[in-house]
Amino acid sequence: SQQGEEDPQALSIQEGENATMNCSYKTSINNLQWYRQNSGRGLVHLILIRSNEREKHSGRLRVTLDTSKKSSSLLITASRAADTASYFCATPYGGATNKLIFGTGTLLAVQP
Amino acid sequence: DTAVSQTPKYLVTQMGNDKSIKCEQNLGHDTMYWYKQDSKKFLKIMFSYNNKELIINETVPNRFSPKSPDKAHLNLHINSLELGDSAVYFCASSHNRGWETQYFGPGTRLLVL
Repeated sequence: SQQGEEDPQALSIQEGENATMNCSYKTSINNLQWYRQNSGRGLVHLILIRSNEREKHSGRLRVTLDTSKKSSSLLITASRAADTASYFCATPYGGATNKLIFGTGTLLAVQP
Repeated sequence: DTAVSQTPKYLVTQMGNDKSIKCEQNLGHDTMYWYKQDSKKFLKIMFSYNNKELIINETVPNRFSPKSPDKAHLNLHINSLELGDSAVYFCASSHNRGWETQYFGPGTRLLVL
């Protein structure tokens, strides 16, 4: 399967805590992206990290990339109830076919 | 202003019917996509168009036919709907290549009875 895998499948934390989710992928990539999907909505792009970057920050988000292990992690610090959503990683695949392969997603529930 | 819009938002229909979903983007992007998300939230690409040209056609039944009248629009027509077609269908666009950031529409929830 081309699909990446995310871990854990579901995560429940209290407001104010940090949330970490992981993504593993299978092929060489030039970037890795993270998206958020609120219930009943479309996906929203959060952050893109290039293959020559090891870490990237955006507000309360921190993404790491380890190309030797073909893995990435997304850390959300000081979580809020509004962070409750599904989070997906996505990696490019197929050269000329120009497509993103999405992971299986992590469902994050932040309890107020 | 909505960047990527889809209509309708909900679609409930009987098996065997034919239905269409429309998508429009006002981002000036060259590439548009259709994805299918199943009940387990698995998101799979179906089609991609770049400047009205079909560039990705995944293993999708030929009952599904995309049409791109111009680069701002990508419609999806489905013939002879089956129960297994029930899913959420997302349209998306990107500036050019498929490995760039993609912008998603709100989704069309299709239920086939």
